[in-house]
Amino acid sequence: AQSVTQPDIHITVSEGASLELRCNYSYGATPYLFWYVQSPGQGLQLLLKYFSGDTLVQGIKGFEAEFKRSQSSFNLRKPSVHWSDAAEYFCAANRDDKIIFGKGTRLHILP
Amino acid sequence: AAGVIQSPRHLIKEKRETATLKCYPIPRHDTVYWYQQGPGQDPQFLISFYEKMQSDKGSIPDRFSAQQFSDYHSELNMSSLELGDSALYFCASSWLGVAGLNEQFFGPGTRLTVL
Repeated sequence: AQSVTQPDIHITVSEGASLELRCNYSYGATPYLFWYVQSPGQGLQLLLKYFSGDTLVQGIKGFEAEFKRSQSSFNLRKPSVHWSDAAEYFCAANRDDKIIFGKGTRLHILP
Repeated sequence: AAGVIQSPRHLIKEKRETATLKCYPIPRHDTVYWYQQGPGQDPQFLISFYEKMQSDKGSIPDRFSAQQFSDYHSELNMSSLELGDSALYFCASSWLGVAGLNEQFFGPGTRLTVL
Protein backbone atom coordinates (compact mmCIF):
# COMPACT_ATOMS: atom_id res chain seq x y z
CA ALA A 1 0.00 0.00 0.00
CA GLN A 2 1.10 3.54 -0.64
CA SER A 3 2.41 5.30 2.44
CA VAL A 4 4.47 8.19 3.69
CA THR A 5 6.43 7.83 6.91
CA GLN A 6 7.81 10.54 9.12
CA PRO A 7 9.69 8.69 11.86
CA ASP A 8 10.04 11.68 14.19
CA ILE A 9 6.88 12.88 15.91
CA HIS A 10 8.67 15.72 17.70
CA ILE A 11 12.00 17.40 17.06
CA THR A 12 13.58 20.11 19.18
CA VAL A 13 16.44 22.27 17.96
CA SER A 14 18.03 25.46 19.19
CA GLU A 15 17.50 28.67 17.29
CA GLY A 16 20.29 29.06 14.75
CA ALA A 17 21.01 25.33 14.60
CA SER A 18 20.59 23.23 11.50
CA LEU A 19 17.54 21.08 10.92
CA GLU A 20 16.74 17.87 9.10
CA LEU A 21 13.28 16.32 9.06
CA ARG A 22 13.06 12.80 7.73
CA CYS A 23 10.55 11.41 5.29
CA ASN A 24 10.30 8.03 3.57
CA TYR A 25 7.74 6.92 1.03
CA SER A 26 6.45 3.62 -0.25
CA TYR A 27 4.91 3.73 -3.70
CA GLY A 28 4.90 1.44 -6.70
CA ALA A 29 6.44 4.15 -8.83
CA THR A 30 8.23 7.29 -7.73
CA PRO A 31 5.53 9.71 -6.62
CA TYR A 32 5.49 13.46 -6.64
CA LEU A 33 6.73 14.65 -3.26
CA PHE A 34 5.87 17.66 -1.15
CA TRP A 35 6.61 19.28 2.15
CA TYR A 36 3.94 21.39 3.84
CA VAL A 37 4.12 23.48 7.00
CA GLN A 38 1.16 24.15 9.26
CA SER A 39 1.02 26.55 12.18
CA PRO A 40 -1.52 25.77 14.92
CA GLY A 41 -5.07 26.21 13.68
CA GLN A 42 -3.87 27.33 10.28
CA GLY A 43 -3.92 25.98 6.77
CA LEU A 44 -1.28 24.09 4.85
CA GLN A 45 1.52 26.07 3.26
CA LEU A 46 3.56 24.40 0.53
CA LEU A 47 7.28 24.67 1.25
CA LEU A 48 8.58 22.83 -1.78
CA LYS A 49 7.82 20.06 -4.23
CA TYR A 50 9.64 17.49 -6.32
CA PHE A 51 8.32 16.24 -9.62
CA SER A 52 11.44 15.27 -11.55
CA GLY A 53 14.88 16.54 -12.48
CA ASP A 54 17.36 17.96 -10.01
CA THR A 55 17.14 15.93 -6.81
CA LEU A 56 17.94 18.91 -4.59
CA VAL A 57 14.90 21.14 -4.41
CA GLN A 58 14.87 24.67 -3.06
CA GLY A 59 11.78 25.99 -1.34
CA ILE A 60 10.51 29.00 0.48
CA LYS A 61 11.75 30.30 3.83
CA GLY A 62 15.24 28.90 3.25
CA PHE A 63 14.17 25.25 3.19
CA GLU A 64 15.49 22.62 0.83
CA ALA A 65 14.87 18.92 0.36
CA GLU A 66 16.81 16.14 -1.28
CA PHE A 67 15.19 13.28 -3.14
CA LYS A 68 17.08 10.00 -2.85
CA ARG A 69 15.53 7.26 -4.93
CA SER A 70 17.80 4.54 -3.51
CA GLN A 71 16.58 5.31 0.00
CA SER A 72 13.00 6.24 -0.93
CA SER A 73 13.57 9.41 1.05
CA PHE A 74 12.78 13.08 0.74
CA ASN A 75 14.32 14.77 3.78
CA LEU A 76 13.76 18.43 4.54
CA ARG A 77 16.67 20.62 5.65
CA LYS A 78 17.38 24.12 6.78
CA PRO A 79 20.85 25.37 7.68
CA SER A 80 19.75 27.75 10.45
CA VAL A 81 16.29 27.70 12.03
CA HIS A 82 14.42 30.71 13.34
CA TRP A 83 11.93 30.78 16.19
CA SER A 84 9.19 31.40 13.62
CA ASP A 85 9.88 27.97 12.09
CA ALA A 86 8.19 26.27 15.04
CA ALA A 87 5.25 24.45 13.47
CA GLU A 88 3.99 21.08 12.23
CA TYR A 89 5.65 19.78 9.09
CA PHE A 90 4.00 17.28 6.79
CA CYS A 91 5.69 15.27 4.11
CA ALA A 92 3.26 14.20 1.39
CA ALA A 93 3.14 12.28 -1.86
CA ASN A 94 0.81 11.64 -4.74
CA ARG A 95 0.76 10.00 -8.11
CA ASP A 96 -2.03 11.38 -10.28
CA ASP A 97 -4.61 11.28 -7.52
CA LYS A 98 -5.14 11.87 -3.84
CA ILE A 99 -2.34 13.14 -1.66
CA ILE A 100 -1.14 10.88 1.12
CA PHE A 101 0.33 12.69 4.09
CA GLY A 102 2.78 11.53 6.70
CA LYS A 103 1.76 11.80 10.33
CA GLY A 104 3.71 15.01 10.70
CA THR A 105 6.70 16.19 12.72
CA ARG A 106 6.23 18.93 15.26
CA LEU A 107 9.24 21.22 15.38
CA HIS A 108 10.07 22.97 18.63
CA ILE A 109 12.64 25.75 18.77
CA LEU A 110 14.70 26.50 21.87
CA PRO A 111 15.73 30.13 22.36
CA ALA B 1 -3.14 35.07 -8.09
CA ALA B 2 -6.50 33.59 -7.28
CA GLY B 3 -6.51 30.84 -4.69
CA VAL B 4 -8.93 28.20 -3.53
CA ILE B 5 -11.78 29.71 -1.56
CA GLN B 6 -13.60 27.86 1.18
CA SER B 7 -16.66 28.97 3.04
CA PRO B 8 -17.47 29.29 5.78
CA ARG B 9 -14.11 29.52 7.51
CA HIS B 10 -15.61 28.52 10.83
CA LEU B 11 -18.78 26.60 11.59
CA ILE B 12 -20.30 25.51 14.86
CA LYS B 13 -23.06 22.91 14.88
CA GLU B 14 -24.87 20.74 17.37
CA LYS B 15 -24.86 16.95 17.28
CA ARG B 16 -27.27 15.46 14.76
CA GLU B 17 -27.43 18.70 12.77
CA THR B 18 -26.34 19.05 9.15
CA ALA B 19 -23.57 21.16 7.66
CA THR B 20 -22.62 22.25 4.17
CA LEU B 21 -19.09 23.25 3.30
CA LYS B 22 -18.32 25.01 0.05
CA CYS B 23 -15.20 25.08 -2.08
CA TYR B 24 -14.45 27.35 -5.02
CA PRO B 25 -11.46 26.08 -7.00
CA ILE B 26 -8.87 28.15 -8.76
CA PRO B 27 -10.27 29.34 -12.11
CA ARG B 28 -9.84 26.75 -14.88
CA HIS B 29 -9.07 23.98 -12.41
CA ASP B 30 -11.21 20.94 -13.17
CA THR B 31 -10.56 18.72 -10.15
CA VAL B 32 -11.53 19.19 -6.52
CA TYR B 33 -10.38 17.17 -3.52
CA TRP B 34 -11.69 17.14 0.05
CA TYR B 35 -9.54 16.29 3.06
CA GLN B 36 -10.37 16.01 6.74
CA GLN B 37 -7.83 16.81 9.45
CA GLY B 38 -8.82 15.83 12.96
CA PRO B 39 -7.15 17.41 16.00
CA GLY B 40 -3.49 16.44 16.08
CA GLN B 41 -3.88 14.30 12.97
CA ASP B 42 -2.63 14.40 9.41
CA PRO B 43 -5.07 15.32 6.65
CA GLN B 44 -7.01 12.35 5.32
CA PHE B 45 -8.46 12.17 1.84
CA LEU B 46 -12.26 12.03 1.68
CA ILE B 47 -13.37 12.34 -1.92
CA SER B 48 -12.51 13.94 -5.25
CA PHE B 49 -14.28 15.09 -8.39
CA TYR B 50 -13.03 15.52 -11.92
CA GLU B 51 -15.21 17.32 -14.42
CA LYS B 52 -18.21 17.04 -12.09
CA MET B 53 -17.91 13.28 -11.72
CA GLN B 54 -16.66 11.51 -8.61
CA SER B 55 -13.17 10.34 -9.40
CA ASP B 56 -11.94 8.78 -6.16
CA LYS B 57 -13.26 8.02 -2.71
CA GLY B 58 -11.41 7.65 0.54
CA SER B 59 -12.50 7.25 4.12
CA ILE B 60 -15.68 9.29 3.81
CA PRO B 61 -18.56 8.32 6.10
CA ASP B 62 -21.88 7.40 4.52
CA ARG B 63 -23.38 10.41 6.35
CA PHE B 64 -21.30 12.66 4.11
CA SER B 65 -21.95 13.39 0.48
CA ALA B 66 -20.39 15.75 -2.00
CA GLN B 67 -20.80 16.99 -5.50
CA GLN B 68 -19.19 19.26 -8.02
CA PHE B 69 -21.35 21.70 -9.91
CA SER B 70 -21.27 23.01 -13.48
CA ASP B 71 -19.18 26.01 -12.39
CA TYR B 72 -16.71 23.53 -10.80
CA HIS B 73 -17.37 24.59 -7.24
CA SER B 74 -17.95 21.75 -4.83
CA GLU B 75 -20.04 21.22 -1.72
CA LEU B 76 -19.50 18.73 1.07
CA ASN B 77 -22.73 17.88 2.85
CA MET B 78 -22.53 16.36 6.29
CA SER B 79 -25.57 15.00 8.06
CA SER B 80 -26.26 13.59 11.52
CA LEU B 81 -23.15 15.30 12.80
CA GLU B 82 -21.17 13.59 15.52
CA LEU B 83 -18.63 14.99 17.95
CA GLY B 84 -15.92 13.14 16.04
CA ASP B 85 -16.68 15.15 12.92
CA SER B 86 -15.05 18.18 14.53
CA ALA B 87 -12.08 18.83 12.30
CA LEU B 88 -10.46 21.11 9.80
CA TYR B 89 -11.78 20.39 6.32
CA PHE B 90 -9.54 21.28 3.43
CA CYS B 91 -10.45 21.60 -0.17
CA ALA B 92 -7.79 21.43 -2.86
CA SER B 93 -8.02 21.96 -6.59
CA SER B 94 -5.87 21.00 -9.53
CA TRP B 95 -5.83 20.95 -13.30
CA LEU B 96 -5.23 17.63 -14.98
CA GLY B 97 -4.46 19.20 -18.32
CA VAL B 98 -0.84 17.98 -18.18
CA ALA B 99 -0.89 14.23 -17.99
CA GLY B 100 0.69 12.87 -14.85
CA LEU B 101 1.25 16.27 -13.27
CA ASN B 102 -1.20 16.80 -10.47
CA GLU B 103 -0.24 19.64 -8.20
CA GLN B 104 -2.99 20.35 -5.73
CA PHE B 105 -3.52 23.81 -4.34
CA PHE B 106 -5.09 23.91 -0.90
CA GLY B 107 -7.66 26.29 0.46
CA PRO B 108 -7.44 27.75 3.98
CA GLY B 109 -9.82 25.18 5.39
CA THR B 110 -13.14 25.23 7.20
CA ARG B 111 -12.99 24.55 10.91
CA LEU B 112 -16.07 22.60 11.95
CA THR B 113 -16.86 22.29 15.63
CA VAL B 114 -19.63 19.93 16.69
CA LEU B 115 -21.00 20.52 20.19
